[in-house]
Amino acid sequence: NAGVTQTPKFQVLKTGQSMTLQCAQDMNHEYMSWYRQDPGMGLRLIHYSVGAGITDQGEVPNGYNVSRSTTEDFPLRLLSAAPSQTSVYFCASGRTGAGTEAFFGQGTRLTVV
Amino acid sequence: KNEVEQSPQNLTAQEGEFITINCSYSVGISALHWLQQHPGGGIVSLFMLSSGKKKHGRLIATINIQEKHSSLHITASHPRDSAVYICAAFSGGGADGLTFGKGTHLIIQP
Repeated sequence: NAGVTQTPKFQVLKTGQSMTLQCAQDMNHEYMSWYRQDPGMGLRLIHYSVGAGITDQGEVPNGYNVSRSTTEDFPLRLLSAAPSQTSVYFCASGRTGAGTEAFFGQGTRLTVV
Repeated sequence: KNEVEQSPQNLTAQEGEFITINCSYSVGISALHWLQQHPGGGIVSLFMLSSGKKKHGRLIATINIQEKHSSLHITASHPRDSAVYICAAFSGGGADGLTFGKGTHLIIQP
C-alpha cells in the first residue's frame, strides 16, 4: 500500500517555464489537496478536490491549476513559474474531507530561478 | 478565517523529559490534527481529534473545545522524537482545507 505518492521530489525551473507536480493515492480517498510550505509560515492550501471532477480554490490559488479526472490522481500545474512559487509542495488526501485523517505525500522542493 | 497559534516555537529538552506543545485557535472547529514533520521533510499524521483525549504509545493529545485549545504531550522523550510538530484546524464548510500553525521545532538531547 503506497499511500500518497508525489513526484518529483526536487525540481528547478526557470522563470516562465511550466510544469506539473504529480500526486497519486491508492486508498480510494475522495478528498485530495495541495499545500505549500514556506519558511516562517504554516502550510497554506492551494487547491482541493472532494471527488473526481470537482475542484475548488484554497487560500493561495493564483498561478496554479488543478484537475481531478480520476479518484486516484490530482496533479498541480504551474502555468508560468515565478520566483515567488519557490516553496515545498505537499499533496494530501483524506477519506471524505479535511476533517478525516490526513495522509501526506513526501513533498516536492521546487526552486524557480 | 481561523487563526492557529502554537507555542513554544522552539523547544530543547533532555532525554526523558515530559514535553508539552500547545495549540490555540480562534474559531470553533470540527477537528484538530497533530502532525509530525521529520528533518527529511515528510509529514505524518499523529492524531485527529474533535473532543477529549487520545493516546498512542508515549504521545497524548488533548483538546478543550470551550477554551479553543489543544495540547500534545510526549512522555519519556527520546532523541528520535526530535521533529517539527504541527497542529492544524478544520473548521468545516467554506474553504475546505486545514489551517496550520507554524510548528514547534523540538530537539531532544541525549
